[in-house]
Amino acid sequence: EVQLVESGGGLVQPGGSLRLSCAASGFTFSSHWMNWVRQAPGKGLEWVANIKQDGSEQSYGDSVKGRFTISRDNAKNSMYLQMNSLRAEDTAVYYCARARTLERFLDYWGQGALVTVSS
Amino acid sequence: DIQMTQSPSSLSASVGDRVTISCRASQSINRYLNWYQQKPGEAPKVLIYLASSLEGGVSSRFSGSGSGTDFTLTISSLQPEDFATYYCQQGFNTPATFGQGTRLEIK
Repeated sequence: EVQLVESGGGLVQPGGSLRLSCAASGFTFSSHWMNWVRQAPGKGLEWVANIKQDGSEQSYGDSVKGRFTISRDNAKNSMYLQMNSLRAEDTAVYYCARARTLERFLDYWGQGALVTVSS
Repeated sequence: DIQMTQSPSSLSASVGDRVTISCRASQSINRYLNWYQQKPGEAPKVLIYLASSLEGGVSSRFSGSGSGTDFTLTISSLQPEDFATYYCQQGFNTPATFGQGTRLEIK
């Protein structure tokens, strides 16, 4: 059974940093692009970033570019999102999601981790 | 970036109704259009990928159509468990933008 479990969410002050983790199981992690998608309270879905199977390529949404860094450790079946210079507008539930590569959609999602940026 | 626009933003319907939700891309995305369903407090779940392919385990009352810039999600006969928010998403390029969502409510 495919499972994605996010951790590392919490309350952080504006300007602070936080690192999210996504632990994957039930599939060959190193064979899939992986993504982060977020959802601000009461709002829609926003794609944040993705990373290639071997970690050699990453892409970011404009709102996080230069502040967030996506990475992965295939030996640990894990993906990460390092979030720096956090702003109030980064407050959201952050989902880890697996991509079905050829068809270009997100077929499995984690339960989400809440990040709250507030003083 | 490719902009995705859904209509309507909200919709009231009754059990048994046939419902259609539209999604328009700001440029051609071929058939790289996906539909997700999200219920309160839950992660999104894919329903349709590549515009019209039904994901495994998803009810056949869901169907998708379209190509280029205009796409449609149809629910043939609404069931109580279908009341949720629906999002389209383009997989043509990054950023993989989502539509703003369509909230489907019980009439």
